[in-house]
Amino acid sequence: DGGITQSPKYLFRKEGQNVTLSCEQNLNHDAMYWYRQDPGQGLRLIYYSQIVNDFQKGDIAEGYSVSREKKESFPLTVTSAQKNPTAFYLCASSQQGGDTEAFFGQGTRLTVV
Amino acid sequence: AQSVTQPDIHITVSEGASLELRCNYSYGATPYLFWYVQSPGQGLQLLLKYFSGDTLVQGIKGFEAEFKRSQSSFNLRKPSVHWSDAAEYFCAVGASGGSYIPTFGRGTSLIVHP
Repeated sequence: DGGITQSPKYLFRKEGQNVTLSCEQNLNHDAMYWYRQDPGQGLRLIYYSQIVNDFQKGDIAEGYSVSREKKESFPLTVTSAQKNPTAFYLCASSQQGGDTEAFFGQGTRLTVV
Repeated sequence: AQSVTQPDIHITVSEGASLELRCNYSYGATPYLFWYVQSPGQGLQLLLKYFSGDTLVQGIKGFEAEFKRSQSSFNLRKPSVHWSDAAEYFCAVGASGGSYIPTFGRGTSLIVHP
């Protein structure tokens, strides 16, 4: 079945650590996105990529980094510079162009301990 | 830049009652509009979408939405709510030209009383 797989589902980070969230898709989509979700704030765009080896900052990119070495993969690293990383992270993908919806993974809940 | 406003943070309805969730968008041209649903701890699932044509759009799970250009609205409706409809609902807008980066509203939490 085609879809988007995020792993792990739950992740715990100690203060000062970098952690990487995985996102893989087999939908052959060109565009991929990372969103952060906090209660009452909806989805905020962290980074997006419309083609391999290229990505752009979203609204809240500070303290995060990404790579897009393969079409299928778009990992997100939460660095120690992100002061408030506890949140629910959602990865999505879509075809290029506005007339297509985004498909979402099941999310990763990151907690700082 | 496009934006989406969902004015209701929470909506409470009784099972079997009708439902309308409000969504207003801001975009200079004809937008692409979407409604998604999210169960707790899960990703988002597409309910329906509007690109062009008939302004009344039918979706999954008995939902429908109506695009009203004059009001910049895309409200979601369901004639009879089931307890399983309790979830978070997000309205989103995408650009109709150039790159597509979906912009989401803050969401409306639907509570269903038995």
